[in-house]
Amino acid sequence: KNQVEQSPQSLIILEGKNCTLQCNYTVSPFSNLRWYKQDTGRGPVSLTIMTFSENTKSNGRYTATLDADTKQSSLHITASQLSDSASYICVVSAKNAGNMLTFGGGTRLMVKP
Amino acid sequence: DTGVSQNPRHKITKRGQNVTFRCDPISEHNRLYWYRQTLGQGPEFLTYFQNEAQLEKSRLLSDRFSAERPKGSFSTLEIQRTEQGDSAMYLCASSLPAGGNEQYFGPGTRLTVT
Repeated sequence: KNQVEQSPQSLIILEGKNCTLQCNYTVSPFSNLRWYKQDTGRGPVSLTIMTFSENTKSNGRYTATLDADTKQSSLHITASQLSDSASYICVVSAKNAGNMLTFGGGTRLMVKP
Repeated sequence: DTGVSQNPRHKITKRGQNVTFRCDPISEHNRLYWYRQTLGQGPEFLTYFQNEAQLEKSRLLSDRFSAERPKGSFSTLEIQRTEQGDSAMYLCASSLPAGGNEQYFGPGTRLTVT
């Protein structure tokens, strides 16, 4: 069964600090992995998308890594801001799956002043 | 605004009533997806369309759930005889058809069944 597991479930950090969120997946055959940011009461918004051959991808203060051998990904947030408070969802797509996505449960991040 | 839109944004209904939600995708997107998201969880796939064809519906939660996309543009998701367990956020997303293409999500419809 295709699964995506994220850790931690929730995280509280102080403004300006860095943090790293983890994602492990069992989706096969692997197509790509996305990280989404979801503000409370809103739909998810894509941060990064990574294919099998990509190890690192950055989007501003967000840097995602992918290890396709161990089936792990991380999202690193640098110099956190209050507006980073949201849920971060790891999403994996399988090949030949009609673009259907398998979602992790998300990590709820709270950035405090 | 050229993004995915959903209506209504919030719906409160009594148990046993039928509800219908609408999704308008990005205009050039052929594929449209419906998801359900409960509090603290990631979205759960329900069904998707390519144009007007519903290509996957086996993951609809029960026969009380149905979706249509009659003209290949907007879509509706109907829940008949609602139950309290149906309370959730219902998300719609759209994409271009090629594998791996980005799915763009709407703001969701939050359903509360009392």
